[in-house]
Amino acid sequence: EADIYQTPRYLVIGTGKKITLECSQTMGHDKMYWYQQDPGMELHLIHYSYGVNSTEKGDLSSESTVSRIRTEHFPLTLESARPSHTSQYLCASSLISGRAEKTQYFGPGTRLLVL
Amino acid sequence: TQLLEQSPQFLSIQEGENLTVYCNSSSVFSSLQWYRQEPGEGPVLLVTVVTGGEVKKLKRLTFQFGDARKDSSLHITAAQPGDTGLYLCAGVVESSGYALNFGKGTSLLVTP
Repeated sequence: EADIYQTPRYLVIGTGKKITLECSQTMGHDKMYWYQQDPGMELHLIHYSYGVNSTEKGDLSSESTVSRIRTEHFPLTLESARPSHTSQYLCASSLISGRAEKTQYFGPGTRLLVL
Repeated sequence: TQLLEQSPQFLSIQEGENLTVYCNSSSVFSSLQWYRQEPGEGPVLLVTVVTGGEVKKLKRLTFQFGDARKDSSLHITAAQPGDTGLYLCAGVVESSGYALNFGKGTSLLVTP
């Protein structure tokens, strides 16, 4: 069972507000990821991190930012939320390993609705 | 971005029927993974296939990786209502910290 947590699970917020989506894992994984998923669409990588003080942008352009000050914590921030940010945000983590199999463990997601 | 096409997008069958879901790409992947996602939850890994031509079985689920490592299939024998969910294939992208490149998924509904 994966020990990766996301809060809040659901968030309804007005345009222009600053929000932070929290993601924490207790497995000691080095790599962490943020994906965005719209209904009926694939998951798109928006940010990833190799470890502490490492952050990279993913394939899908996003106005959000991330930080990785501690191994277990990978929060995502939107400085000014807009309706176009409405989506489901999924956090995941995995171990750095030389093995070909690289299991990612996903949190339950945060459903964001921006009015 | 290495695109993964999944088919069918939606599938509704009755309990006891067999089904196959396909995942195709024009790109070669070092490995492909299959995930299952239930409403309100994140995806959960079912299997990883690494070697071209590899076949893996997980109870009534059979996964196959194409010889050229560009495609994969998931076959479910005697489907049960508990198999209902969104099935996602994902290719491992080594250049992005081993992040996953997902297909759109196949939404499966198995009715009693």
